[in-house]
Amino acid sequence: EAGVAQSPRYKIIEKRQSVAFWCNPISGHATLYWYQQILGQGPKLLIQFQNNGVVDDSQLPKDRFSAERLKGVDSTLKIQPAKLEDSAVYLCASSLDRAWGNTIYFGEGSWLTVV
Amino acid sequence: GNSVTQMEGPVTLSEEAFLTINCTYTATGYPSLFWYVQYPGEGLQLLLKATKADDKGSNKGFEATYRKETTSFHLEKGSVQVSDSAVYFCAPDTGRRALTFGSGTRLQVQP
Repeated sequence: EAGVAQSPRYKIIEKRQSVAFWCNPISGHATLYWYQQILGQGPKLLIQFQNNGVVDDSQLPKDRFSAERLKGVDSTLKIQPAKLEDSAVYLCASSLDRAWGNTIYFGEGSWLTVV
Repeated sequence: GNSVTQMEGPVTLSEEAFLTINCTYTATGYPSLFWYVQYPGEGLQLLLKATKADDKGSNKGFEATYRKETTSFHLEKGSVQVSDSAVYFCAPDTGRRALTFGSGTRLQVQP
C-alpha cells in the first residue's frame, strides 16, 4: 500500500516569496491533516480536512497560510508571503476517517527554509 | 487547554539498557494515546497505541500502558538497541480526532 506522498521534499525561498506544498493521502483516506514541525519541537496541527471540508483550522495563520482539498483527495498548502519563522517541516498525514482511535499516517514531510 | 509533557532529552543509554520515557497529558475526557517515532531523515511512524484505560500497547519490544488515574502513558523497553536511536513523541488524540504532540525525546543508544 502506498503511503502519504508529499512534494517537494525540500524548498528554499526568500522571505516575502510564496511557496506551495502538495500532498496525496493514502487511497481511501477521508481525513487529511497538515502539521508544521519547527526544528526541535513536536508537530503542530495547522488544518484538518474531512473529505473536501475543513474540520479545524483554528491554528492556521490565515493571513499568510491557505490550504485546500477541492476534490476530497489531494491537498495543497500555500504560504504567501513567507516569513523567516515559517522555516519548518510541513507534514501531511491522513487517516481512514475521524473514528475514535484511528491511526494517523504521516508523509516524509516537505522541508522549507526561508532566507 | 490540552497539553502533553514528555521528559526532556537527550536520553543516552548503552545497548541492552532499560528504557523509560515519561509522558503525561491533560485532555478532556479519555483520549486515545499514541507513541510515534521519528528515525533520522524519516517521517513519523506509529510505534504503538492504546485506546482505553489499562490497555497496553506494544510493538518492537516497546510497551506503554494507559494509566487513567495518573493521566500517563510512559514508554518502556527492556533492552534497547543502537537501531532504536530516534526521537520519540507522545501524542494523545485530544478529542478533535487530531494528535497533540509533545516536544519529543531524543534517544541515543551507544554500542
